[in-house]
Amino acid sequence: QQPVQSPQAVILREGEDAVINCSSSKALYSVHWYRQKHGEAPVFLMILLKGGEQKGHDKISASFNEKKQQSSLYLTASQLSYSGTYFCGTEFGNYQLIWGAGTKLIIKP
Amino acid sequence: GAGVSQSPSNKVTEKGKDVELRCDPISGHTALYWYRQSLGQGLEFLIYFQGNSAPDKSGLPSDRFSAERTGGSVSTLTIQRTQQEDSAVYLCASSPTGEGGYTFGSGTRLTVV
Repeated sequence: QQPVQSPQAVILREGEDAVINCSSSKALYSVHWYRQKHGEAPVFLMILLKGGEQKGHDKISASFNEKKQQSSLYLTASQLSYSGTYFCGTEFGNYQLIWGAGTKLIIKP
Repeated sequence: GAGVSQSPSNKVTEKGKDVELRCDPISGHTALYWYRQSLGQGLEFLIYFQGNSAPDKSGLPSDRFSAERTGGSVSTLTIQRTQQEDSAVYLCASSPTGEGGYTFGSGTRLTVV
């Protein structure tokens, strides 16, 4: 039931774009995205509810494709502060999140 | 409070001892979760409290683990007869209803020696 995140890791130069995918084998109710920096707690980025919506703030946005049971996180014009491990959490209507294994993002100047 | 508070931040204990980890969620948040994160790994669900409902304990790895939440606020995770494989960071999170984004505490790093 654990969602599959891809890629496992990505290295970018500052200013480049990245896409992180989160796929589930089961119908989703919602998808959460979090970023965790080394040694710190995960920080909430956004939540997407079923309905195929797209959300975003600043240069980070996400989409939710209910048919494909997939969500994608888009980071445009990446900044050094975007470095960290990104986790998606999938929820099936029972308020319990099942977390992906994470995608490690490294931004180089 | 302003955020989710966890204590202690670090705990080193001898194998076989019992430990108690505390979580003080954001005031008014009805949902409270405990997760475990081993080094370089993802988040492993342990237990979920929602208001006065019976907790979802489906993630507790063994009967050595238990948790309670008093008065719908502070929660304590207890690990009895600790084993080395219990070493991890234990994270607590709360959310207003269980439907919104979670706010995580800074975690308790447990080391069993």
